[in-house]
Amino acid sequence: NAGVTQTPKFQVLKTGQSMTLQCAQDMNHNSMYWYRQDPGMGLRLIYYSASEGTTDKGEVPNGYNVSRLNKREFSLRLESAAPSQTSVYFCASNVAGAQETQYFGPGTRLLVL
Amino acid sequence: SQKIEQNSEALNIQEGKTATLTCNYTNYSPAYLQWYRQDPGRGPVFLLLIRENEKEKRKERLKVTFDTTLKQSLFHITASQPADSATYLCALDIDGNNRKLIWGLGTSLAVNP
Repeated sequence: NAGVTQTPKFQVLKTGQSMTLQCAQDMNHNSMYWYRQDPGMGLRLIYYSASEGTTDKGEVPNGYNVSRLNKREFSLRLESAAPSQTSVYFCASNVAGAQETQYFGPGTRLLVL
Repeated sequence: SQKIEQNSEALNIQEGKTATLTCNYTNYSPAYLQWYRQDPGRGPVFLLLIRENEKEKRKERLKVTFDTTLKQSLFHITASQPADSATYLCALDIDGNNRKLIWGLGTSLAVNP
């Protein structure tokens, strides 16, 4: 199993450009998550999807949209990138429920100029 | 709001010694507390989970304690090895369904040979 995969690994955008970060998992997990990790801020939840067809806002959803395309895939879209969205983005998944830990992808490093 | 504090300074120890990392939290009592390891350029990897009614959990050289009175968890690595060098994150699961975790900033551990 590949686990959780993310594309791209790195991306440089100019302010105002749009892009979609892709995430896929092959563990048949119900729940998927998008986090951003910034120095001094820790991991913060952007959006999560408890199951196929549902999405919910996390702590920092502004400026982002998500799509749970199917059970395997959960994408994060930046419609108009801003320098404040420079960060490392992690996708995670789990079965959901007590004691079901989250499995993380390798991350996407995004720089917005 | 929930606040988590981990050792802010990096921890340097000698190989073979026991490393002890601290996670303190305020306000609410979490249903679960998790510890993850993160290596540079990679996503977090789950290590241990402890429930609010458990005092201690062990896995090989790892031990986690959970004191809900002190609002503190301690993470121990015994017989430490240079390969244990990484950043260790604690995460609180407030509502017990592992969907919205609150993360600490992490403690950087360096084990010197």
